Amino acid sequence: GESVGLHLPTLSVQEGDNSIINCAYSNSASDYFIWYKQESGKGPQFIIDIRSNMDKRQGQRVTVLLNKTVKHLSLQIAATQPGDSAVYFCAENISQGAQKLVFGQGTRLTINP
Amino acid sequence: SAVISQKPSRDICQRGTSLTIQCQVDSQVTMMFWYRQQPGQSLTLIATANQGSEATYESGFVIDKFPISRPNLTFSTLTVSNMSPEDSSIYLCSAGQGSPTDTQYFGPGTRLTVL
Repeated sequence: GESVGLHLPTLSVQEGDNSIINCAYSNSASDYFIWYKQESGKGPQFIIDIRSNMDKRQGQRVTVLLNKTVKHLSLQIAATQPGDSAVYFCAENISQGAQKLVFGQGTRLTINP
Repeated sequence: SAVISQKPSRDICQRGTSLTIQCQVDSQVTMMFWYRQQPGQSLTLIATANQGSEATYESGFVIDKFPISRPNLTFSTLTVSNMSPEDSSIYLCSAGQGSPTDTQYFGPGTRLTVL
């Protein structure tokens, strides 16, 4: 069935370093992808999105890369800060005509001081 | 972006009882959704709450167990019926404008524990 998965369930990074979180998706027809950040006790917070007609999109300290050839998505966080510690989820919209998100397993990012 | 609130934020319930969770959006939205997030896991879509018609349920979720209401464009409820300990989860409401490339925004979630 359709699924979105992650290569690494946990990631520890030194404060100030860059981090990369990876995600594999299986639906080649998906045309919209989102990264969410979920802090403990809170709902997922939108970070950045990308459409399938792009391969890179940048935000403030974050960059999303999309490789449709290998169905791979990544989130790069530059100059990590303690507040970046959270679980990060990728999600793909699998419906061509409506909103229907499938979420990946999640990666727990820990920023070490 | 939409600001979404949920009530209650958490609850502890006895098995066999039912709990209704409310979701309020600060602006009119086309689509509202309900998700379940089991402890330490990812989000799974339960159903799409349709305004003025019956909710659309995903595989594995049924209306008798998770009845949903959506009386208007800013409010929805999810009821978890005849609860068992396996229903202990975080239940999340989200909202969007319906286009496949629109962002879904999430509420803070309702943490449910069933004893």
